[in-house]
Amino acid sequence: EVQLVQSGGGLVQPGGSLRLSCAASGFTFSAYWMHWFRQSPGKGLVWVSRVDSDGSSTTYADSVKGRFTVSRDNAMNTVFLQMDSLRAEDTALYYCARNWGSAFDLWGQGAMVTVSP
Amino acid sequence: DIVMTQSPDSLAVSLGERATINCKSSQSVFYNFNNQNYLAWYQQKPGQPPKLLIYWASTRESGVPDRFSGSGSGTDFTLTISSLQAEDVAVYFCQQYFSSPYNFGQGTKLEIK
Repeated sequence: EVQLVQSGGGLVQPGGSLRLSCAASGFTFSAYWMHWFRQSPGKGLVWVSRVDSDGSSTTYADSVKGRFTVSRDNAMNTVFLQMDSLRAEDTALYYCARNWGSAFDLWGQGAMVTVSP
Repeated sequence: DIVMTQSPDSLAVSLGERATINCKSSQSVFYNFNNQNYLAWYQQKPGQPPKLLIYWASTRESGVPDRFSGSGSGTDFTLTISSLQAEDVAVYFCQQYFSSPYNFGQGTKLEIK
């Protein structure tokens, strides 16, 4: 089955760290760029970061630049989002998604990240 | 950054009637190189991730019912549901994938009248 399965969400204190994982199956993972998005409760969708197909190039939203790091392991078919120096405003449901020169056609189920004392 | 603005914010339509959602980008998302508009539409139901409906502004994703259609070019786009079904109740987002950050519209909540 073609799918993305996420793990790693949870509750963390301000200033803390968390790592999200997104495991791919059923398709050639190494052919796709992978992205992270987030959605605050009751709010819209926001793009967070992307990594290209071999992991050599990454891009970040200004709001997370310098604090978040995206990486991938093509041997494990997994993309990661390392989140450091977390703030209350980072509280959101985080999604991973794939694209290949077009729109984002496959999404993970989401992982909730709550930043609170 | 390209800002995406949808209208209306919410919409109530009777079953079997047409629903129309508009999306405007702050700059063109048309790429001359491949003659494509880098504009997608997604449907999101509660507790679910977004589902891709339309890409390249007017290409329906595989498995999406043909009552869903997309149109427009440059900066102005429209998602049309030709005959609303109960299962279409959701929030709909447009998104540009022309350049990062790949911004979304604020969403349009579609309900049954």
